[in-house]
Formats: sequence, C-alpha cells, structure tokens
Amino acid sequence: QLQLQESGPGLVKPSETLSLTCTVSGGSISSSSYYWGWIRQPPGKGLEWIGSIYYSGSTYYNPSLKSRVTISVDTSKNQFSLKLSSVTAADTAVYYCASLHDYADYWGQGTLVTVSS
Amino acid sequence: DIQMTQSPSSVSASVGDRVTITCRASQGISSWLAWYQQKPGKAPKLLIYAASSLQSGVPSRFSGSGSGTDFTLTISSLQPEDFATYYCQQANSFPGITFGPGTKVDIK
Repeated sequence: QLQLQESGPGLVKPSETLSLTCTVSGGSISSSSYYWGWIRQPPGKGLEWIGSIYYSGSTYYNPSLKSRVTISVDTSKNQFSLKLSSVTAADTAVYYCASLHDYADYWGQGTLVTVSS
Repeated sequence: DIQMTQSPSSVSASVGDRVTITCRASQGISSWLAWYQQKPGKAPKLLIYAASSLQSGVPSRFSGSGSGTDFTLTISSLQPEDFATYYCQQANSFPGITFGPGTKVDIK
C-alpha cells in the first residue's frame, strides 16, 4: 500500500517561493500506473488541484496557477516536488500530495503552509 | 476547462436518514467521476470512482450513480461517522482534474 508524506517549511514570506517535497513509500514512483499530484485546500475552503507529474517528467498544471508552478520528480529518491513562486496570503493552505490513477486514491496527511511576513 | 458544481452546499440530517448529494459537470464527462469524504483535519478519502464503483473497504451504504453531466452520491442510512464534507471530482481531462466545491453533511 502506498504511503505519501509531505515535507517542507510551514512558513513562507510573501513574494518568495514555496517549496514542498512528497516522499513515496510502499511502491515505486516510476510505476506506469500512476501520476503524482499536488492538491491544496485553503483554510475552511475546498480542494484545488495544483498539478500532476508522470515519472518521465511530463507535467500538467492548473491553468490558474501555471505561471507560478513547477513540479518535478526524482525517481532515485522516490520523491516529487512542488515549487510555487511569488506567493501571497492567498496561497496559505494545507498542501496535499497524492497518487493519481484517474482518481486520487492515496493521499499524504497534508502540510499547512502559511504565507506571512 | 470543466467546472463542477454540487448541491446542496450543506445538509442537516439525522442518523438513519437517506442523504443524496448532486454533482453537475459543465460538459459531459462520461463516467469519469469520483466522490471523496473529508473529515476535519484529515485528508480526503476516496469513496466512489468511475461514478458508481465502490472503493475497497467503503461501506455499501454509499452508492454513486449518473453519467454525462449529472451525478449523485447516496448514503442509504446515515451513520455517526458519516458526518463530513463530500467532494466530487472529474477525471475526464486527466491528468488534469477538477473538484466540486463540497457538500457538508452535519447533524440535525
């Protein structure tokens, strides 16, 4: 059974870059069965898909965030990462990583990232 | 882009009630739809995929139906542990996905 764990700073200053890593265990990130994704949830609000990546490095981003998002994969470490640039308070959210097989069947526990000076 | 809507935004119900939540897509998505349950402070949990297939381990009181643009999630007999927020998600444009805004089920 897959397990995913997010890691990274919980506090980011406005205009800086948010960086998170998701470590996958219990399976290979190079599996042809899965894409890997980032999803976020602002406090008290709904879920927003940020982007998805395949082990080959192919990426797909939410058009509303595309100009600020970079998702990458490191197959040697069984990890994938998120970078979100020029953050504002509106980017404050719980950030989840998930395995995507059309649907998000395994999720990390989520990590709260607060954007504040 | 495919937009998802849900109704109602919230529903108050009692244990044992039958609860139905509706999800609508802005364009046809065949059966590429999932339902998730989220409890406070927890990650969402996949309940239903492909519109009507029950994820392993999910109680049979949960069921899904629909195709095209209109979908429903039904909880046949609401249990105390079912009080949560429910989200639909389209996968027609996978690996791009879109979630609905959520429906909160709380205690009457």
